[in-house]
Amino acid sequence: GAVVSQHPSRVICKSGTSVKIECRSLDFQATTMFWYRQFPKKSLMLMATSNEGSKATYEQGVEKDKFLINHASLTLSTLTVTSAHPEDSSFYICSARDGTLNTEAFFGQGTRLTVV
Amino acid sequence: GIQVEQSPPDLILQEGANSTLRCNFSDSVNNLQWFHQNPWGQLINLFYIPSGTKQNGRLSATTVATERYSLLYISSSQTTDSGVYFCAVEDSNSGYALNFGKGTSLLVTP
Repeated sequence: GAVVSQHPSRVICKSGTSVKIECRSLDFQATTMFWYRQFPKKSLMLMATSNEGSKATYEQGVEKDKFLINHASLTLSTLTVTSAHPEDSSFYICSARDGTLNTEAFFGQGTRLTVV
Repeated sequence: GIQVEQSPPDLILQEGANSTLRCNFSDSVNNLQWFHQNPWGQLINLFYIPSGTKQNGRLSATTVATERYSLLYISSSQTTDSGVYFCAVEDSNSGYALNFGKGTSLLVTP
């Protein structure tokens, strides 16, 4: 299957700083990527849809100024958590699919963010 | 958006036992996938199965799209099968992102 690579896998940062997470599709082009957040022992919640060359679409309740998404190329989307707070600590995971509709989605390895 | 319900929420099996996990969804879907989340958080693709039946080793899945449910069968379970199993369906109202159920947490004991 297609490969989606996410980096870093773990990051610890201080409150008030910003953290960038990268999501790459390694062997296919992805016009759309998706960012999810997962709390401990909970399901994955969609945060935003990242569209290559245009603004991301955020789900209700997700602060677009805190979670900046950039999709500058067909193989790379980035999520930047700005002015991080301890409550931003979570597991973030990205997804992409090769094509648009009716194709299988693949996920990155996830990033465990801890804000201290 | 589409509602996805999984059952049971928790399951404990002895090694070698068989199990069936269920996923109900509230509307017609173009895409349904089953995943296994390992202890490190990685989502492992098990099946892409919007309809029909597929098998892969000890695992198989069936989706009856007209009745809006999917089943994941695990046979001869092993301790390495432990983890959380998620069902996810494509939601056209969210840019065709996958909408996840709450998962089934499986523990296989020796």
